[in-house]
Amino acid sequence: DTEVTQTPKHLVMGMTNKKSLKCEQHMGHRAMYWYKQKAKKPPELMFVYSYEKLSINESVPSRFSPECPNSSLLNLHLHALQPEDSALYLCASSQGSGAIGEKLFFGSGTQLSVL
Amino acid sequence: RKEVEQDPGPFNVPEGATVAFNCTYSNSASQSFFWYRQDCRKEPKLLMSVYSSGNEDGRFTAQLNRASQYISLLIRDSKLSDSATYLCVVKHEAAGNKLTFGGGTRVLVKP
Repeated sequence: DTEVTQTPKHLVMGMTNKKSLKCEQHMGHRAMYWYKQKAKKPPELMFVYSYEKLSINESVPSRFSPECPNSSLLNLHLHALQPEDSALYLCASSQGSGAIGEKLFFGSGTQLSVL
Repeated sequence: RKEVEQDPGPFNVPEGATVAFNCTYSNSASQSFFWYRQDCRKEPKLLMSVYSSGNEDGRFTAQLNRASQYISLLIRDSKLSDSATYLCVVKHEAAGNKLTFGGGTRVLVKP
């Protein structure tokens, strides 16, 4: 069982829709992440929030908009997506100190299909 | 050259056999090393951290070779449930909270 909870598990949306992915953790972690994973590829980092501030944006298109309302919650707002954005979107968290050996804990992901 | 490279496999392994595979990294300043396991359509799960002196967790043994810049994972007495993709993850000091994933090594254990 993962301690990082993501909703919804599956999402189908049209290119004109607006939707949001949600992520929650109660481990007291101060760093939270969004990753995108295509089939048979490794996860690709999109965003990192550290202590509720956006610390890394890996040049992600503006149709993806992250939000961190508090230290336990992370959202990813989606608007005007393209079919090639279809992928598994993974949320992860870590303690947030950036220390050596700090581990990532992943949620079970949202499988997104853009039609 | 990719920062973290893995043989994609698949490694076809008879049940009960031993399998080992490596992961090479290009940044000599890398300091944290992990093996994650990912099942099809599931999230990656931490298998084990890799320590400088090498470490073992049950049937799994991880080694770090800093001189040659690679880490390895060895699985003894393979079980059918070991079939998965094994992701090598590396972090260097300057990266802060950013971890770099290898492309994964697929292992298929067959009866």
